[in-house]
Amino acid sequence: GENVEQHPSTLSVQEGDSAVIKCTYSDSASNYFPWYKQELGKGPQLIIDIRSNVGEKKDQRIAVTLNKTAKHFSLHITETQPEDSAVYFCAASITGYSSASKIIFGSGTRLSIRP
Amino acid sequence: EAGVAQSPRYKIIEKRQSVAFWCNPISGHATLYWYQQILGQGPKLLIQFQNNGVVDDSQLPKDRFSAERLKGVDSTLKIQPAKLEDSAVYLCASSPDRGGSEAFFGQGTRLTVV
Repeated sequence: GENVEQHPSTLSVQEGDSAVIKCTYSDSASNYFPWYKQELGKGPQLIIDIRSNVGEKKDQRIAVTLNKTAKHFSLHITETQPEDSAVYFCAASITGYSSASKIIFGSGTRLSIRP
Repeated sequence: EAGVAQSPRYKIIEKRQSVAFWCNPISGHATLYWYQQILGQGPKLLIQFQNNGVVDDSQLPKDRFSAERLKGVDSTLKIQPAKLEDSAVYLCASSPDRGGSEAFFGQGTRLTVV
C-alpha cells in the first residue's frame, strides 16, 4: 500500500523567511497530492493540492512542486507570518472514475514562526 | 455551506467500556472517511464509505471497532471494548465524489481512555 514520509518533523523560521516541507511517496499510481494545515483543536484544512499532470502550483504565498520521477513533492511558504504557525500534513491518493480513493497522510511538520 | 459536524467533542471513558462517535457529513457528499489521529502523528484511515457501502476497512480493528453509515448520510463509529491505546482524536471527513477532490474534515472527537 501507499506510504508517505514527511520531513522535517519540526521547523522554526524567522517571520518573513521561507519554509519548505518535503514529502516522498511510494506508490507510483498516486496522482493526487493535497496539503493540509491543522491548528490546535481543529481538524485538518486543505490549503493547496496538486495533481500528477502538473509540476507546480502556486496560490499567493504558498506553492507546491511535484517530481513524479523521484516521487517527491514539496510545500513552499514564502514571507511567513505568525498565523502560518501550525502542523502541516502532506498526503497522497489514487483517484479514478471507477474507484474511490483513500488519502494517506504523512506524519506532519510542526511549523513555528519566530517574531 | 455547513461543514462536517462531529459529536461529542470530548469523551473520557474507562478501559473496557464502550463509546460511540457521530458524524454528519456535508450535504450531498458521497464519500465519508473516519480517521484516527494519535497525538503527534498524522491521521490514519480507519474506514471509508461510498454512499452507504464500505470501500476500505482494511485498517479497522474489527474485533473492537465498528462503523455504519445509514442511508448514505450520517455515520457512527463505535469502540467496544476500549483499550488505553485507543486514546486519540477521531476525525470524520467527507468528499463530494469518488475521489481526488478535497476532503473536508470535522473538528474531531478527542477520546481519552483511562
